[in-house]
Amino acid sequence: GAVVSQHPSWVICKSGTSVKIECRSLDFQATTMFWYRQFPKQSLMLMATSNEGSKATYEQGVEKDKFLINHASLTLSTLTVTSAHPEDSSFYICSAQRQGAGGYTFGSGTRLTVV
Amino acid sequence: GENVEQHPSTLSVQEGDSAVIKCTYSDSASNYFPWYKQELGKGPQLIIDIRSNVGEKKDQRIAVTLNKTAKHFSLHITETQPEDSAVYFCAASKGETSYDKVIFGPGTSLSVIP
Repeated sequence: GAVVSQHPSWVICKSGTSVKIECRSLDFQATTMFWYRQFPKQSLMLMATSNEGSKATYEQGVEKDKFLINHASLTLSTLTVTSAHPEDSSFYICSAQRQGAGGYTFGSGTRLTVV
Repeated sequence: GENVEQHPSTLSVQEGDSAVIKCTYSDSASNYFPWYKQELGKGPQLIIDIRSNVGEKKDQRIAVTLNKTAKHFSLHITETQPEDSAVYFCAASKGETSYDKVIFGPGTSLSVIP
């Protein structure tokens, strides 16, 4: 149980375009999901907390207009990287926790490459 | 906010030996400490966790200890195997509710030499 599915697993896009990443909790409802960013050989940096039915809470230094988060249902959160640039290339990972599941479950990640 | 430090950044051990990774945290309000294993190109996988009301927890070859007074916690892997090679992250959180964010340490790259 407590499976989090993330899609796509990788994506290549041109500079200036937008990319949407989906995060789904498959067997539980998640009122809160978290979005992380990970550069090569670095740790996971929390970008924002996605709250179902309300605005996301962004960490300091994260541009909310660039990284749009929508948590439209109890099982789906999306992260849209708008007007992507090469420096946005990174590994994006979502996570969620089912109450009583004993820990946070992470998606498999999305490798974004902006060319 | 919470700050988690982790040492060492890289660790090489011979197969069958033990590996120990140590972490410290700054926020005394943190009370949930998970450990994650991440393989290349994949998301982190929870391997063990410990809560503040417990000093030690063990699951087969993996154990975690917590010293809340000193704000230290450690991961111990015994009888290491090549498949244990990965990056390990410690983390800290203020609670186990679904809205408590998890802050990660910088990671330890573990190599188990056959």
